Amino acid sequence: DTEVTQTPKHLVMGMTNKKSLKCEQHMGHRAMYWYKQKAKKPPELMFVYSYEKLSINESVPSRFSPECPNSSLLNLHLHALQPEDSALYLCASSQDLQSFTSGNTIYFGEGSWLTVV
Amino acid sequence: QKEVEQDPGPLSVPEGAIVSLNCTYSNSAFQYFMWYRQYSRKGPELLMYTYSSGNKEDGRFTAQVDKSSKYISLFIRDSQPSDSATYLCAMKAAGNKLTFGGGTRVLVKP
Repeated sequence: DTEVTQTPKHLVMGMTNKKSLKCEQHMGHRAMYWYKQKAKKPPELMFVYSYEKLSINESVPSRFSPECPNSSLLNLHLHALQPEDSALYLCASSQDLQSFTSGNTIYFGEGSWLTVV
Repeated sequence: QKEVEQDPGPLSVPEGAIVSLNCTYSNSAFQYFMWYRQYSRKGPELLMYTYSSGNKEDGRFTAQVDKSSKYISLFIRDSQPSDSATYLCAMKAAGNKLTFGGGTRVLVKP
């Protein structure tokens, strides 16, 4: 079973709504990620946090706003989304951002299915 | 040209057969190679993680890496209907940024 927990599993929101996706991990990982996945496509990286600081923003529109309140939690705040933003949003975590430790693999949560209407 | 190429399938095999999956890549900086399994409407699940060229075995799964040819493979022995899923190869260089292949859909028929 995945140790990265995402809520809610499903979310339907209007284009004027404000909502948030939440992610939690208790593996002591210090790097956390948000990915977006469209149907029949691989996951696309959106944001990376390392030690609670934003490390990578893959030129994501400002209507997506990440937040890392502490080392176990990661949020994605959503505002004024478009229908094309409907997708599976995946949270992931790893020990840190260094690739040189064996087992520094990236573990994914089950995802939050977002539908924008 | 994509950095990582993976045949989208679908790949249909009878139960008990060997499933053979592969990816090619163009970036010589990739050092770490992973295979994820993703069931419909679920998150990717890590299956195998390899660093060096050669083979790595874990139960029914064998991962192969040939860095000289920039080619990686995943073999699933004694395939079961529960192995029906999309298989994603992924790789990374410095840092921990994954580059995924497009995924191969596998169907194991009883």
